[in-house]
Amino acid sequence: AQSVSQHNHHVILSEAASLELGCNYSYGGTVNLFWYVQYPGQHLQLLLKYFSGDPLVKGIKGFEAEFIKSKFSFNLRKPSVQWSDTAEYFCAVHSRSGATNKLIFGTGTLLAVQP
Amino acid sequence: GAVVSQHPSWVICKSGTSVKIECRSLDFQATTMFWYRQFPKQSLMLMATSNEGSKATYEQGVEKDKFLINHASLTLSTLTVTSAHPEDSSFYICSASLRTGGGYEQYFGPGTRLTVT
Repeated sequence: AQSVSQHNHHVILSEAASLELGCNYSYGGTVNLFWYVQYPGQHLQLLLKYFSGDPLVKGIKGFEAEFIKSKFSFNLRKPSVQWSDTAEYFCAVHSRSGATNKLIFGTGTLLAVQP
Repeated sequence: GAVVSQHPSWVICKSGTSVKIECRSLDFQATTMFWYRQFPKQSLMLMATSNEGSKATYEQGVEKDKFLINHASLTLSTLTVTSAHPEDSSFYICSASLRTGGGYEQYFGPGTRLTVT
């Protein structure tokens, strides 16, 4: 069965620190990869996605992620976090060979940025 | 674009009653919508895939007779929690699928907080 692992459950950083959130998935076929963000009291929003092409994808608000196929990873990065980045971050995978386009979500990483 | 709404945003009901939650794609048509449940400080758990004009596909362990899903049009899916019990209290989130570029994206609604007393 497909699964998505996010290794960091809770991350605390100071403003201007660099961020890297890990995401690994278990599926051998072709996948689409996503990072979603959920700000406090708000709904899930798409940060960035990878469908094909350049494995380094850039999203909104200065976030980027790199797809490394050999490592089954899609880690999220930001060079300098801000207090407003405090939120929960979810990695998700969609198997392109499946009969449906359902997403499998990781357990989420709660990021707290201290001013 | 690609906005998804849910109604109501929160609801309190008594044990044994039924509650209907609506999910609408406001500016696009969605043949497929999804229903999730999110527990506090946990990830989204997929409950079912809602297919327009056909039966929903439920994930393992989700009671189809308890969580009735209807996807009668390309912009509306409903989730009815029948005979609700306190353990059904949760945050229910829907999403609508839209094909963009090389794949499908899901756009999420704001969620519905259900409290069963």
